[in-house]
Amino acid sequence: AQSVTQLGSHVSVSEGALVLLRCNYSSSVPPYLFWYVQYPNQGLQLLLKYTSAATLVKGINGFEAEFKKSETSFHLTKPSAHMSDAAEYFCAVSDRGTGFQKLVFGTGTRLLVSP
Amino acid sequence: NAGVTQTPKFQVLKTGQSMTLQCAQDMNHNSMYWYRQDPGMGLRLIYYSASEGTTDKGEVPNGYNVSRLNKREFSLRLESAAPSQTSVYFCASSEDRGFNQPQHFGDGTRLSIL
Repeated sequence: AQSVTQLGSHVSVSEGALVLLRCNYSSSVPPYLFWYVQYPNQGLQLLLKYTSAATLVKGINGFEAEFKKSETSFHLTKPSAHMSDAAEYFCAVSDRGTGFQKLVFGTGTRLLVSP
Repeated sequence: NAGVTQTPKFQVLKTGQSMTLQCAQDMNHNSMYWYRQDPGMGLRLIYYSASEGTTDKGEVPNGYNVSRLNKREFSLRLESAAPSQTSVYFCASSEDRGFNQPQHFGDGTRLSIL
């Protein structure tokens, strides 16, 4: 079965600094990977997805993620953090074991942005 | 531009009471899902419906039942609520069962069981 691991339950950065949120996956088949963002008291919104078309995936709000098969990673980055980026971020992998798409989520990383 | 709508947004129940959480989507999606979110555990799948008329258990189905009423609506029922079911519940939908399909989420129902 597929799974993802997010390193660090909390990440703190200063406004303008690089954002790096880590995600490693475990999959016996080429994975489909997703990053979602959750703002307070809201549902999850799709940031970006990897479906094997390109290893560097660009998403909304200036975020991007790079798929590295050799490292089984799909880390999320943004060159310059903004206060509005403060939220919780979830990495997810599509579990294809049942023949039907089910998303398996990581435990989340809360991004804190200080002025 | 409603997307996925969940009702109610908040609810407090006493142990043993029953309740149905409602979910409706207006995107003509075939597949729908119910998750629960607990601190430090991410989202865990309770039940899903690949298409109208079908439902299947997810990772944590015990204590819950679901009904896919029609293509738009997918409800989650707690027959006898327990404090362990205190959580935030999210409904989601996707266009079809494809593995690369993103899921679209509602804003959640915050449920407390006393």
